Parts: sequence; structure tokens; C-alpha cells
Amino acid sequence: EAAVTQSPRNKVAVTGGKVTLSCNQTNNHNNMYWYRQDTGHGLRLIHYSYGAGSTEKGDIPDGYKASRPSQENFSLILELATPSQTSVYFCASGDQGWDTEVFFGKGTRLTVV
Amino acid sequence: GDSVTQKEGLVTLTEGLPVMLNCTYQTIYSNAFLFWYVHYLNESPRLLLKSSTDNKRTEHQGFHATLHKSSSSFHLQKSSAQLSDSALYYCALIFNNAGAKLTFGGGTRLTVRP
Repeated sequence: EAAVTQSPRNKVAVTGGKVTLSCNQTNNHNNMYWYRQDTGHGLRLIHYSYGAGSTEKGDIPDGYKASRPSQENFSLILELATPSQTSVYFCASGDQGWDTEVFFGKGTRLTVV
Repeated sequence: GDSVTQKEGLVTLTEGLPVMLNCTYQTIYSNAFLFWYVHYLNESPRLLLKSSTDNKRTEHQGFHATLHKSSSSFHLQKSSAQLSDSALYYCALIFNNAGAKLTFGGGTRLTVRP
């Protein structure tokens, strides 16, 4: 079973503070993703990566940075957190190839106050 | 750009009735791979079924869907809803010339009542 681990699982941050969400996968997958889940908007793609050292902008990248220092790790960084970034964030990984399944972590609930 | 539309945000059904969740997509490309993911409460979203073949029915766990490229649709169906089907369902797509970019729709929350 593919394993994607997110940390922390819950986070409360202050407006203007820096937040880093971490994701680790042990599947040796090339592709990794960060989504946020909001009622009425579904899963929206923030950033994704094809492999170590690569990051690509998704559909809603503003206010977020991503880092892929290794095959296993993919981080999402909020340099200046805002209340509008309060959401549930999901990391996912998938093998190379456009028809392959992606595997999700359990999610991180972020509240920015 | 590429997009996925799930027109129903919320569907409530009585157990035993048929399920149909709508999914349509927009693309300028001819080759798209469509997916349905299911997200049960307190779990991670996971793949339910997938297809890239036009007019071919794909089935899994009692659910089925057929990709119709002529209408850009990939509706999810089940003949008889069960209480355990209550979950959030996402339609998603990827294009073969869009690299790894996997785009999801807005999701449909299905609630099945006794």
C-alpha cells in the first residue's frame, strides 16, 4: 500500500507568520502534489512536482511556495499566512504516466487566525 | 484551460435508489484520462475508477462510468445506493500532453438515507 505522510496534521498559525507543511512518500513516485480542499471548490491544485528539484505552479499558486529537495519529500510553504489560507491541505504522490493512480495523505487542517 | 465540472454539489438519496453523479470536462486536447475518486469521512481520497477509452464502460465496487468524448462527459452511476456509499466524490482529469497536472472538479457530496 502506497504511503504518504503529512505533518503536522493540525496547525494553528497567526496572520503574517510563516507556515511549512511537510509531505513524505515512501513509494518512490516521481510526481507529487499539493491540493487544498474547500467546500464548494473541491480539491484545487496549488503546486506539483515531477521529481527532486522540480516544482510547477498549479491552478492557485499565489501565496504559496513549494520545495522538492528529494524524491521523498515535498513541502508547501506559506511565507505570510493569511486567514484566507485556512483550509485542509492534501499531499499526494503518483507514478510517472498519465493514467496512474495518485495516493493521498491524511490531510493537514490549517487555521490562520 | 482544462477544467472539470460537477454540477451537483450535494445529492441526497434513499437507500436502494439509483445513483448518478455528473461530470463534464473542457479541453482543447483530444486525449484525456478521466478518474473518479471517493473521499470517505476521516479517510484519504482514493481512486474509484478511471478511463481514457471512448464509449467503454468501466466498473469497480458496484459503480460504473462511461467516457463519452462527444459530450465530454464521465458520469458516475450505481444501480442501487447503499448507506455506505455516503461520501464525497471527485471527478478528475489529466491530459496526455499536460505532464503530471491532475485537475479535480468541485466534488459532489452523496448522502444516502435509510
